[in-house]
Amino acid sequence: GEDVEQSLFLSVREGDSSVINCTYTDSSSTYLYWYKQEPGAGLQLLTYIFSNMDMKQDQRLTVLLNKKDKHLSLRIADTQTGDSAIYFCAERLNTGGFKTIFGAGTRLFVKA
Amino acid sequence: EADIYQTPRYLVIGTGKKITLECSQTMGHDKMYWYQQDPGMELHLIHYSYGVNSTEKGDLSSESTVSRIRTEHFPLTLESARPSHTSQYLCASSARPQGANEKLFFGSGTQLSVL
Repeated sequence: GEDVEQSLFLSVREGDSSVINCTYTDSSSTYLYWYKQEPGAGLQLLTYIFSNMDMKQDQRLTVLLNKKDKHLSLRIADTQTGDSAIYFCAERLNTGGFKTIFGAGTRLFVKA
Repeated sequence: EADIYQTPRYLVIGTGKKITLECSQTMGHDKMYWYQQDPGMELHLIHYSYGVNSTEKGDLSSESTVSRIRTEHFPLTLESARPSHTSQYLCASSARPQGANEKLFFGSGTQLSVL
């Protein structure tokens, strides 16, 4: 089936690293995405990774993909209070047509 | 910066009323989507459109309807609102995908409460 799972909450201290995890079930993933939703706003694309890559780094963000275990993670280095938001994992499936499946989102709390 | 707008931002309405949630984008995107978002739940696709005069139902059954008469405009209508329709509705759009990669641009959402 098509399912994307994330833990619902994560709390970290300012300056620490945050690691948000995601697992997915469908092996026909082509791209995997992280979207960020700040309070009162829509989702904004943060970063993405092609399914044949295992890592992508962009400034404070590191995406790790373990395709064998169907596990995706987002690491935020030096987490700031402005990083407090909901982070959605999403996968782009090729099932005879393309579709994007979202997880439920992980709410990141950053304590000063 | 994405240019996709949703109105109203918040709507509180009584049962049985007809409502239309507006969504407009100025990026010339062909594809547009409506998602339903509830706390702690996955985003559920309820409608999408590939372009003018194209509308399709999404994965989640919805009593709402949509229309796409102009590229930039994708309104969602509920003929008779019920408390079970209370939710956050997110509109999104994307340019023609380059292969499998599709980047979605989202509006700020409409929080609908039906009393």
